[in-house]
This record gives sequence, structure tokens and C-alpha cells, in this order.
Amino acid sequence: GESVGLHLPTLSVQEGDNSIINCAYSNSASDYFIWYKQESGKGPQFIIDIRSNMDKRQGQRVTVLLNKTVKHLSLQIAATQPGDSAVYFCAEKRPGKDSSYKLIFGSGTRLLVRP
Amino acid sequence: NAGVTQTPKFQVLKTGQSMTLQCAQDMNHNSMYWYRQDPGMGLRLIYYSASEGTTDKGEVPNGYNVSRLNKREFSLRLESAAPSQTSVYFCASSVLPVTGELFFGEGSRLTVL
Repeated sequence: GESVGLHLPTLSVQEGDNSIINCAYSNSASDYFIWYKQESGKGPQFIIDIRSNMDKRQGQRVTVLLNKTVKHLSLQIAATQPGDSAVYFCAEKRPGKDSSYKLIFGSGTRLLVRP
Repeated sequence: NAGVTQTPKFQVLKTGQSMTLQCAQDMNHNSMYWYRQDPGMGLRLIYYSASEGTTDKGEVPNGYNVSRLNKREFSLRLESAAPSQTSVYFCASSVLPVTGELFFGEGSRLTVL
């Protein structure tokens, strides 16, 4: 499959433990954030999103936390499973020129789940 | 239901050659995007089309052109390929511009020698 990143930060967790993946963003005007999961050889898949008027949002086994004060985003995965092994990206909706917006991705974190 | 389909999946070019990457979506989405992904880096936005008839530059537009042929199709053209354009290219689409879930294709691996 495609190699999505040979030198990504890597988080290694034991199966069944909780995982926390962090992301920092730079633009304080960004008002919408998304987490994506990318498995080897595939395109990214949407996990969960959050708007800047929220601090926390929960999905199935996942929680996203947003701290606007320090411009930090985290993805928590409960009871991590082998199928969670992938590269995880945060993305921010960043204002551009002429009232336009762009969806900009971070560099990613590789999650490895140990059996 | 195919979702987002990219062609070709693999391509090898010589420096200076031109080619077009094709992307089609069958979800009636308004917005479409082209990203590139290099090892050790995240996805970088090349161009996007918020709606049919409009296109805008992303983070790394130099060396590329795009055409939103109709609502379904969004193509990416390299007029004179350079080794720095060796990458995996992803097309994506969404209902709304820059908001909500982006649906990605499986990628096109381009090597420029």
C-alpha cells in the first residue's frame, strides 16, 4: 500500500488502553476542526468534527477536546483496538482571502496498537 | 455507489511531460478538492472548487492547473512535470465548502523522473 509518512510522530499503545492524539493549530481565527484517520493505502476517512463554540464533542469511542486558549486539539480513543492502527490527522478551517476558507491538514500522528 | 474515483492510480512521468489526473464523484457534492501527500508531511491543499464554476488556490498551487468540468468532475493538470511533484495525490468532495465530512478517493501515485 501507499506509504503515508515515514517519519511521523508515533504513539504506541496497548490494546484496550485509551489513546490521546494531540494537535496544535496556529490560526486563532480558525472556527472548525476535523479529525481524519488514514489507513495504509487508503484515503483519509472522517472521524469527528467540532466547532469553535464547543469545548468537547463525543462520538462512538472517540472524544475531541478543543482548548482555544492554547490553540490545542486532542482526539481521545477509548479502549483502543488493533483496527485503530492508522495515521491520524487534524484539520482546521482557516480563513483565507476575500472571505474564503481553506481546510488545512496537520502533519499527522501514527497510532500503533500492540496486541 | 463508487464515491470518489481517481484515475490513474499510478503514473510515471519524465521531467517536462504533462498529464492530467481525473476525479469524479457520484454523490452530488458541491465542493471538490485536490491535495498532495508527501512522506512525513500531512495533506497539502493544491486547489479547490467550492461549487461548480469556481476554483481557488490552496497552499501549494504552483505548477498545477485545475478544471471543474461539471458538478461531478474536477481535474488536475501538470503542464511540465518536475521531480518535486512526485507525490500521492488525493481528490476529495463534500456537500458544503470546507465544512463537514470530506470524502476522499484512494489516491494517485505520481513519480516524476
